[in-house]
Parts: sequence; C-alpha cells; structure tokens
Amino acid sequence: LAKTTQPISMDSYEGQEVNITCSHNNIATNDYITWYQQFPSQGPRFIIQGYKTKVTNEVASLFIPADRKSSTLSLPRVSLSDTAVYYCLVGRPSNYQLIWGAGTKLIIKP
Amino acid sequence: SQTIHQWPATLVQPVGSPLSLECTVEGTSNPNLYWYRQAAGRGLQLLFYSVGIGQISSEVPQNLSASRPQDRQFILSSKKLLLSDSGFYLCAWHPSGVAGGGRTGELFFGEGSRLTVL
Repeated sequence: LAKTTQPISMDSYEGQEVNITCSHNNIATNDYITWYQQFPSQGPRFIIQGYKTKVTNEVASLFIPADRKSSTLSLPRVSLSDTAVYYCLVGRPSNYQLIWGAGTKLIIKP
Repeated sequence: SQTIHQWPATLVQPVGSPLSLECTVEGTSNPNLYWYRQAAGRGLQLLFYSVGIGQISSEVPQNLSASRPQDRQFILSSKKLLLSDSGFYLCAWHPSGVAGGGRTGELFFGEGSRLTVL
C-alpha cells in the first residue's frame, strides 16, 4: 500500500503561489494521485487528479515527475479563502484501499 | 445531478447509548459507499465500504457496524457508544465501474456528522 508524506503545515500570503509536495515512494502502477481540500466541519472536496506529468484545471496544477514517487500541488495566487487542510491521496477507490495522508494545514495571511 | 446527504449533522450522546447515522445518495445507482471517521486534527480513517446492497466490508475492528438496506442508503450504527467513538463521521460515494462516470479517483463526500460522546 502506498503511504504518503506531506508537510504538517505551511504559511503563505495572499497573491502568492503555493506549492505543496507529497511523497509516495511505494505508489503502484495503477494508482492515481488525487488532492482534496477540506474546510473545518465540512467533507473534503476534490481539487485535482493526475497519473503522470502535469495536469491543470481552473483552480490548481498538479506536477508529477516521471518516477511518480512524489507530486506537487500548485495553487496560483492564493487568497484567504484557500486556508484549509489539503490531503494527498494515492490509490483507486475501486481497490478499496485508499491511503490518506495526514494532510497539510495551509494558512494564508493577508 | 448527484447529491449526498448525511444526518444528523450534530449529535451528543452519553456513553453506552446507541447510535444511528444515515447517509443517502441521489441521482445515481449502485454507487460504492464509504464511512470514514476523522478525529480532531487528524486525517480520515476508513471504517466501512460497500459495493452493493447488503455487502459491507469493515476496515477497522470496533464497536461500530454498517448496513446498506437499499441501493443508495448507508447506515452507521452502534449498540453502545464509547468515549473513543467521538469524532467527525463522513459518508462518501463513488461511481461503480467506468460507466458510472466521474473521475477515477474522485470521492464525493457528505456534509459530515459530528458525534460527541460524553
């Protein structure tokens, strides 16, 4: 089972780009990398998912190197509302063996 | 569109009392369903998952149980709550199979149920 490691917390300022890196050295061939965002007292919300290289959507980018042993979530020009816990998830729900990292608490300051 | 609902949102129960949390999904059929628990400041712990009516798999031994009496209904129960059962309980669903749509790894979560056992 792939295990993920993320920084416990990060601080940044409004308007900055924030990069959160997740390590997953034992990722399996069929595993995808998915990032979720969670606000207090709410369920996590999907941000982005990728398998390899780079994926970009309207809110974030996900960079995955060729060996897939790590991934980096990039949030462009963050705002105060981006303050949340970000989880790196490796696996596929169909395998019923989802490994959730401890999450990174991101605090955005004015 | 698909929606997921959990209730109650907040629950305060004495030790030894029973528990019933309910989760329903609308707008899809034969979803994979999950119950997670989240302790304060911690990550998510998978408790149960279900791939169909009456099919429940447990990930962690505990005094909790789950049932799926209908295709889109998932219930988390306990006969006697412990202090350690306190936490934030989250129900989630995922489309079953490729034809179910959605991104491969995307789980859709409910609003959560916060349980405090006193």
